[in-house]
Amino acid sequence: DAGVTQSPTHLIKTRGQQVTLRCSPKSGHDTVSWYQQALGQGPQFIFQYYEEEERQRGNFPDRFSGHQFPNYSSELNVNALLLGDSALYLCASSQQGTEQFFGPGTRLTVL
Amino acid sequence: AQSVTQLGSHVSVSEGALVLLRCNYSSSVPPYLFWYVQYPNQGLQLLLKYTSAATLVKGINGFEAEFKKSETSFHLTKPSAHMRDAAEYFCAVSAPDSWGKLQFGAGTQVVVTP
Repeated sequence: DAGVTQSPTHLIKTRGQQVTLRCSPKSGHDTVSWYQQALGQGPQFIFQYYEEEERQRGNFPDRFSGHQFPNYSSELNVNALLLGDSALYLCASSQQGTEQFFGPGTRLTVL
Repeated sequence: AQSVTQLGSHVSVSEGALVLLRCNYSSSVPPYLFWYVQYPNQGLQLLLKYTSAATLVKGINGFEAEFKKSETSFHLTKPSAHMRDAAEYFCAVSAPDSWGKLQFGAGTQVVVTP
């Protein structure tokens, strides 16, 4: 079992650009959550997808959007990038009501 | 609404000494509580969780935590620190009806000295 995988590992973008991050959940998991971890801070919940729908959302602007595919993999899209979007983006997968397993993250740098 | 406060952003302990990491929570409903560990350039790994069963929770790698409702605390302890325990530790809370929506503290960096 490969666990939760994320791609790419690192990404550099410039302000105003758009970015897409990808997550493949652990085998057997149907729920994917996304978190943003700024340097020196704890992760902050962005949103959660289950059955291809956004089920819960944190306090993030509409520039942050996502998608879940029939195979349970997920994408996080961020539009109109700001310098403050520079962070480690973590994906976590689970079955409903069970432990979340985290991926290694995607390090996004916005210049 | 839930929130978590971790007391001490950095903790230094000697190898073999007690590790104590403090976490206090605020929650409008009986919470679920978690401790995660993050090693450099890696994701988060669950150490242990409290979900309204036994108040003393044992986790992996010799860690345990005690839920104290009267003190709104969920402190993490390990009797004897190992060099491999050097990492960042996060306390997190969620509401039972919001499973998967974790509210994390700011983290505590643990340094273990020989």
